[in-house]
Amino acid sequence: EVQLVESGGGLVQPGGSLRLSCAASGFTFSSYWMSWVRQAPGKGLEWVANIKQDGSEKYYVDSVKGRFTISRDNAKNSLYLQMNSLRAEDTAVYYCARDYDSSGYYYLGYWGQGTLVTVSS
Amino acid sequence: EIVLTQSPGTLSLSPGERATLSCRASQSVSSSYLAWYQQKPGQAPRLLIYGASSRATGIPDRFSGSGSGTDFTLTISRLEPEDFAVYYCQQYGSSMYTFGQGTKLEIK
Repeated sequence: EVQLVESGGGLVQPGGSLRLSCAASGFTFSSYWMSWVRQAPGKGLEWVANIKQDGSEKYYVDSVKGRFTISRDNAKNSLYLQMNSLRAEDTAVYYCARDYDSSGYYYLGYWGQGTLVTVSS
Repeated sequence: EIVLTQSPGTLSLSPGERATLSCRASQSVSSSYLAWYQQKPGQAPRLLIYGASSRATGIPDRFSGSGSGTDFTLTISRLEPEDFAVYYCQQYGSSMYTFGQGTKLEIK
């Protein structure tokens, strides 16, 4: 059974930093791109970033470029999101999701339960 | 950036009825890059359809996807009580994913 479990969310002041983690199990982690997607309270879904299987390619939505860094550790089956210079508008539930597997189809096949990040003074 | 516009914003129907949800793209999208998700309150999104028309594992056959180019449709043939939720379409392009704003399917 595929499982994705996020952790690391919490309350942080504007300008602060937070590191999210996602522990993956039930599939060959190193065979998939992985993504972070967020959802502000009462709002829709916004893709944040993704990373290639070997970590050699990373892409970000414009609003987080230069502030967020996605990374992975295939030996630990883990995905990370380092978030710096946090703003109130970064407040959201952050989901880890299993991404592309070189099949030719692009979709987010499995999602974690999410971790809430609140940016407030 | 490709913008996805979903309609209607809210759809009010009764169990047993047919639901038709629309997703229109601002420019042509490859069918291989178009997916649909269902999200219930307090839960993570769940993949329903990928490749515009392929059902994900475990998805009932009352869910179907169709369309090409800029116009895509999610159809639920006969609504069950558990189908009332928010539905999102998603596309991939220019090394990023974008989502539609969602359609809320509510019980009439």
